[in-house]
Amino acid sequence: EAQVTQNPRYLITVTGKKLTVTCSQNMNHEYMSWYRQDPGLGLRQIYYSMNVEVTDKGDVPEGYKVSRKEKRNFPLILESPSPNQTSLYFCASSPITGLAGTQYFGPGTRLTVL
Amino acid sequence: DAKTTQPNSMESNEEEPVHLPCNHSTISGTDYIHWYRQLPSQGPEYVIHGLTSNVNNRMASLAIAEDRKSSTLILHRATLRDAAVYYCILMRNNDMRFGAGTRLTVKP
Repeated sequence: EAQVTQNPRYLITVTGKKLTVTCSQNMNHEYMSWYRQDPGLGLRQIYYSMNVEVTDKGDVPEGYKVSRKEKRNFPLILESPSPNQTSLYFCASSPITGLAGTQYFGPGTRLTVL
Repeated sequence: DAKTTQPNSMESNEEEPVHLPCNHSTISGTDYIHWYRQLPSQGPEYVIHGLTSNVNNRMASLAIAEDRKSSTLILHRATLRDAAVYYCILMRNNDMRFGAGTRLTVKP
């Protein structure tokens, strides 16, 4: 089944403890991205990647890192999480880079930073 | 920024058609119009997209105004499972900016 998977689905952590949220897609998509969703602010893009070893900042990249060493994986790294990074995170992938690409979203990771 | 404007909420009765409007007066010639929806506790889901002509798929229809400054997502027969937040988005160079969307409530 074609899908985008994220792990973990739920995570509670403490301020400053490094964490990684994994994202994997099995559709051979070039484009992948990370979003966070907060009440009243909608979905905002954190980082995106057009292909392996190519990443770029979205609207809210501060406090986050990403890497794209393989086409299928696009982990989101929080080196020193803070409470303002408590949010619902979505990974997405797309088969086409360009104007018409349809994005496929993962199920989400709910992160709480205490 | 490619900005869209949608009503905050709409209601529909089950098995009736629903027309969800979207204004995008700042659309440029190369922007695609995308619609996604987000069901409760799930990630956004692609619904339909178009450039200039009206589009149909198994989920919905997309009617695009001749000047492209507005569009309407049409659900032909709403079901309870269509209750979701619907987002109208202008896709520009892989840049997708989600607005607040329209929360659709479907009444039995």
